Amino acid sequence: QVQLQESGPRLVKPSETLSLTCTFSGGSLSTYYWSWIRQPPGKGLEWIGDIFKSDITTYNPSLKSRVTISLDTSKNQFSLNLHSVTAADTAVYYCARDEEQLGHKRGFDPWGQGTLVTVSS
Amino acid sequence: SYVLTQPPSVSVSPGHTASITCSGDELDHKYVCWYQQKPGQSPVKIIYQDSKRPSGIPERFSGSNSRNIATLTISGTQALDEADYYCQTWDSSTVVFGGGTKLTVL
Repeated sequence: QVQLQESGPRLVKPSETLSLTCTFSGGSLSTYYWSWIRQPPGKGLEWIGDIFKSDITTYNPSLKSRVTISLDTSKNQFSLNLHSVTAADTAVYYCARDEEQLGHKRGFDPWGQGTLVTVSS
Repeated sequence: SYVLTQPPSVSVSPGHTASITCSGDELDHKYVCWYQQKPGQSPVKIIYQDSKRPSGIPERFSGSNSRNIATLTISGTQALDEADYYCQTWDSSTVVFGGGTKLTVL
């Protein structure tokens, strides 16, 4: 069964870079879209961006200037870097997988368990 | 940017049918997914491509999408269906989530 697991620092200082890694087990990284999604405490879901086939990235326009997503197929991992963070970036960060069949995406499944990252000095 | 609008809350009595709507501009021209999220848990996909159920999702969950409104219908609602529900679509390769609807079963 496919599983995703987020890892990385749980506390980040304002103005620094939030860095998370998602480790994938149970298949191949190369044929899916790999996304980062976040959820501020008590609020809704916000898509951050995704990566496909190592170098095709798409980002949420509202975060594009601060986000980098990369993929390391040799390690079955993909990563998120969010630069110049503020308290507003405090959230549970999820990694998730999407796939495309016959030109249409199928939505996110599975999701990682999520990791709460707090931005505070 | 593209916006999906959901009601903040919906209430339903056990055994009755709950309907949660999601509206967006020309939404019927796009595919919609629905996710269920219970407190402290990751979201779970319950509907994809407007009306398809992933394996393991009970038949009481169904979806539709027409006239710019996608609807998640839960027939014979059970207490364990109490959760937050999010709709999601794609707009020019970017992913958009609705604001979420809290379903209360009482």
